[in-house]
Amino acid sequence: GENVEQHPSTLSVQEGDSAVIKCTYSDSASNYFPWYKQELGKRPQLIIDIRSNVGEKKDQRIAVTLNKTAKHFSLHITETQPEDSAVYFCALTGGSYIPTFGRGTSLIVHP
Amino acid sequence: GAGVSQSPSNKVTEKGKDVELRCDPISGHTALYWYRQRLGQGLEFLIYFQGNSAPDKSGLPSDRFSAERTGESVSTLTIQRTQQEDSAVYLCASSQGVHSDTQYFGPGTRLTVL
Repeated sequence: GENVEQHPSTLSVQEGDSAVIKCTYSDSASNYFPWYKQELGKRPQLIIDIRSNVGEKKDQRIAVTLNKTAKHFSLHITETQPEDSAVYFCALTGGSYIPTFGRGTSLIVHP
Repeated sequence: GAGVSQSPSNKVTEKGKDVELRCDPISGHTALYWYRQRLGQGLEFLIYFQGNSAPDKSGLPSDRFSAERTGESVSTLTIQRTQQEDSAVYLCASSQGVHSDTQYFGPGTRLTVL
């Protein structure tokens, strides 16, 4: 199946700083790239997604960028707040209808 | 509207027993997925249902695992002769049907095998 690498595995920032999480993939047929946030003990929830015909999408403090040539996409969180602390998963589908998830990034925002 | 629901929320069982986990997808969602999430790990795909098509069982880790779905409604995941390594949170997700649609996750069932 599809392979996706997610980095970093943990990310610690001060409140107000920006956070960037990157995922790389290999299947050029991938065409849908969602990001999920999972708070401790809760279910994963979609926070933003992007499709392959778009290079960037923004929703308030959250943005996702996609570089299809280099086969990577990134989640950007600006002005981080303590409530942003969670595990973030990238995912993708396209070549296979089975979504592939990254291993997750534990984001810790220190007040 | 109602989201994806799962039951039970927690299940503790003894090694060797069978367990059945239930998922109620969002009404009208034709696609349903089961995932396993071990503590501190990512999501491991188990099985995928799409409408009345044959399910994709390629992620099931052994023949002790099976799942059924009646039409486009409830799904059950059955684990026979449970082992300690089956301990995990089992998540169900549904989507409208196209593989690039947003997946909506249930709260999960936390399974502990003693």
